[in-house]
Amino acid sequence: QAVVTQEPSLTVSPGGTVTLTCGSSTGAVTSGHYPYWFQQKPGQAPRTLIYDTSNKHSWTPARFSGSLLGGKAALTLSGAQPEDEAEYYCLLSYSGAGVFGTGTKVTVL
Amino acid sequence: QLQLQESGPGLVKPSETLSLTCTVSGGSISSSSYYWGWIRQPPGKGLEWIGSIYYSGSTYYNPSLKSRVTISVDTSKNQFSLKLSSVTAADTAVYYCARLFAVAGPAGGYWGQGTLVTVSS
Repeated sequence: QAVVTQEPSLTVSPGGTVTLTCGSSTGAVTSGHYPYWFQQKPGQAPRTLIYDTSNKHSWTPARFSGSLLGGKAALTLSGAQPEDEAEYYCLLSYSGAGVFGTGTKVTVL
Repeated sequence: QLQLQESGPGLVKPSETLSLTCTVSGGSISSSSYYWGWIRQPPGKGLEWIGSIYYSGSTYYNPSLKSRVTISVDTSKNQFSLKLSSVTAADTAVYYCARLFAVAGPAGGYWGQGTLVTVSS
C-alpha cells in the first residue's frame, strides 16, 4: 500500500502564507490521484476544503487554494487567521482505494 | 444538501463484530456514480481509510483490514453498512462515513459527524 507523507507541523504568522504538501511513495502526485485536503479541529469531524486538486466548496475560505507543486499536491494558505490553526490531512486515490496522509499540524503564531 | 449520518452500538466486546450503518439524505445512493466509504480515527491519531462501495456492490478495501471488513449497500433504505469482525482494543475509534470518490466527476467530499466505537469487555 502506498504511503502518503505530509509535514508533521508548520507554523505561520497571522496574515502570513504557508504551503502544505502531500507526497506519494509511488511517485509524482497527479490529478489522477484526485487529491483532497481536509481541515480538522479538536473534537470535530474533518471538513473538506479542497477536492480534485483545486476545487473549493462554498464553505471553503478564499484564502485556501490547492495545486500540484513539484510532484506533490499542495495546499496554500494565504493570509492566515487564528481560526486556521488545525490539523490538515490530504487524501489520495489509488485506482479507487484511498490513502490518507499523515497529517500536518498548523499553528498560527 | 447531501447529509450522512452514522448509527450503531457505541460499545463492542473484544472478538465480536462491529456493525455500523450510514444513512444518506439529500441524494440517492443509487442514482449517481459515487463510491460510499468508511473512515476511522483512533483517539489522538490520524485518519485511516477503511473501504468504499458502489451502489452496484463493487468494493475497495484497505489491504490491512481486508480480511475483517465487509461493506454492503441497501439502496431501498438509502443506506450502506460496515462490519468489522474480530475486533480488539486497537479498533477503538471514531468511525465516519463519507462520499469521497466517484466513477466519473467530482465526489465533493461529504462526511458524517462520526460515531465513537469503543472495544471493551
